[in-house]
Amino acid sequence: KAGVTQTPRYLIKTRGQQVTLSCSPISGHRSVSWYQQTPGQGLQFLFEYFSETQRNKGNFPGRFSGRQFSNSRSEMNVSTLELGDSALYLCASSLGSGKETQYFGPGTRLLVL
Amino acid sequence: AQSVTQLDSQVPVFEEAPVELRCNYSSSVSVYLFWYVQYPNQGLQLLLKYLSGSTLVKGINGFEAEFNKSQTSFHLRKPSVHISDTAEYFCAVNDNAGNMLTFGGGTRLMVKP
Repeated sequence: KAGVTQTPRYLIKTRGQQVTLSCSPISGHRSVSWYQQTPGQGLQFLFEYFSETQRNKGNFPGRFSGRQFSNSRSEMNVSTLELGDSALYLCASSLGSGKETQYFGPGTRLLVL
Repeated sequence: AQSVTQLDSQVPVFEEAPVELRCNYSSSVSVYLFWYVQYPNQGLQLLLKYLSGSTLVKGINGFEAEFNKSQTSFHLRKPSVHISDTAEYFCAVNDNAGNMLTFGGGTRLMVKP
């Protein structure tokens, strides 16, 4: 099976712009979670989508949003980018329950200038 | 709210020596516990997980971890490390039915020849 893929792998934006990141889960996985990784804050949970519905949400401002399509692919959007949004954004897919292993993609590295 | 503490941010160790990476968590409910490894410029890979049952869990690459409920710990061990084990290791917990992992701050394992 193909693993979790994320596009693009690298991205450079300027403050105030918006960005959309994409995640394709492992075939058959219905849950997609997003995480932000920074040197200062570590790994932080953004949100989880399951069967096209947001099931869990982390403590991030409303500028961060996401969605999931019927084929389980997911996108996350960050509007009005700030310098502090520079990070590695990881998505993970799983079958669905909290017991299941989450398989991580390689991440999208976003640099905001 | 749950939290995860990895007591050591860096652990230097010589090749073929044993190593223990410490992880403590706080949660008011039963949890699922995970250890992930991250190699440079890559996503996270699951080493092992504890769901229930035997408190000693064996994972990939010779790693094992022991769940201790009374001490709320889930320490990771390897009897003999290799240079290739140099990476960052993350402990994580999940206490709900969805996929919202709370991660510790990470431990950088540095194996020296």
